[in-house]
Amino acid sequence: KNEVEQSPQNLTAQEGEFITINCSYSVGISALHWLQQHPGGGIVSLFMLSSGKKKHGRLIATINIQEKHSSLHITASHPRDSAVYICAVSRVGKLIFGTGTRLQVFP
Amino acid sequence: GAGVSQSPRYKVAKRGQDVALRCDPISGHVSLFWYQQALGQGPEFLTYFQNEAQLDKSGLPSDRFFAERPEGSVSTLKIQRTQQEDSAVYLCASSGRETKNIQYFGAGTRLSVL
Repeated sequence: KNEVEQSPQNLTAQEGEFITINCSYSVGISALHWLQQHPGGGIVSLFMLSSGKKKHGRLIATINIQEKHSSLHITASHPRDSAVYICAVSRVGKLIFGTGTRLQVFP
Repeated sequence: GAGVSQSPRYKVAKRGQDVALRCDPISGHVSLFWYQQALGQGPEFLTYFQNEAQLDKSGLPSDRFFAERPEGSVSTLKIQRTQQEDSAVYLCASSGRETKNIQYFGAGTRLSVL
């Protein structure tokens, strides 16, 4: 079993829909990260969380430490949100990644 | 520089050839990480430097993989006698003291071993 599990693996949506991507982890962590990766491109950090909730524009990330679960929400999705979204946890200085969720938003 | 720079962006190697991948971290960043990302998978940790010290190399898949950061800035990941299973994107990330848990990633080097 992977230490970081994401669901769903693939997600398609119509423009304007509310998107939720889930992440569960099984190890002790110092922080949880949500990252975005465009095809052929590098990885960009969206959020780093150790508790509660963070919001940036149309993106919202929440974490429940007791349940070892985090969610990334995208409100009013847009085709430019199409990318792979990766959950990762910080553990002993390094990041342990989930396999990512491929999101496609159609106009 | 403004961001993490990796070179080359693409490398094609014949099986058995040695390759060297370079990473220029953000200026002043103390920590530098190498990750390997196979097609369709999330990145996996290879090794980690703090300044010139290699603090963790537990993710290096074999003794054919070697990383160095001799002056605490630029790092090189070397793969000797490449095999087909080494084909992947190799990502470098750096982080600074003031935001030490946020890692800034380069665009990666895509290695194809034929």
